Amino acid sequence: AQRVTQPEKLLSVFKGAPVELKCNYSYSGSPELFWYVQYSRQRLQLLLRHISRESIKGFTADLNKGETSFHLKKPFAQEEDSAMYYCALNAGGYNKLIFGAGTRLAVHP
Amino acid sequence: KAGVTQTPRYLIKTRGQQVTLSCSPISGHRSVSWYQQTPGQGLQFLFEYFSETQRNKGNFPGRFSGRQFSNSRSEMNVSTLELGDSALYLCASSYSSGGSEAFFGQGTRLTVV
Repeated sequence: AQRVTQPEKLLSVFKGAPVELKCNYSYSGSPELFWYVQYSRQRLQLLLRHISRESIKGFTADLNKGETSFHLKKPFAQEEDSAMYYCALNAGGYNKLIFGAGTRLAVHP
Repeated sequence: KAGVTQTPRYLIKTRGQQVTLSCSPISGHRSVSWYQQTPGQGLQFLFEYFSETQRNKGNFPGRFSGRQFSNSRSEMNVSTLELGDSALYLCASSYSSGGSEAFFGQGTRLTVV
């Protein structure tokens, strides 16, 4: 079965602290993984994808096929990072995304 | 360029009625996907269209249907509405046929009373 698990509903940190949002997936083939973010009153938007291996707004995510994980990390959280973060799996090659339940990141001053 | 546009933004319908939601993708995008978002189930895939063909369908009853027109605009229809159909319906468009970034609309908030 294709599944994405985000174990934390809420992650609360102070500004400047490191952040790690966990994502585990279940898929037998070669996965394409994404992190989408939704800021307050804005639409859902792509943050980063595993194939690009780039850092966006200081966030990085590495695909670990052995642990079937795609955790999102940032060394120093900023207040503007407060948002809802969704890990998503594109399985099968079409534009069908399987989303995790989402993690709300709250960065306090 | 203009983003993905969904209309209407809000809808209130009575149980048993039917509803049609519309999605205009970004110009040049040929793939349109639909998702249902609820507090209990999160974001769930409904179906995806590419060049007027439905390529994927999620695990939803047949009351949920959709179509795509030659200009890539898409509609989804829900017949015989149930209270549990109350949700935010999101549309996303993508440029290529698979694996590309999905650009989301603001959604249509459907309330069934």
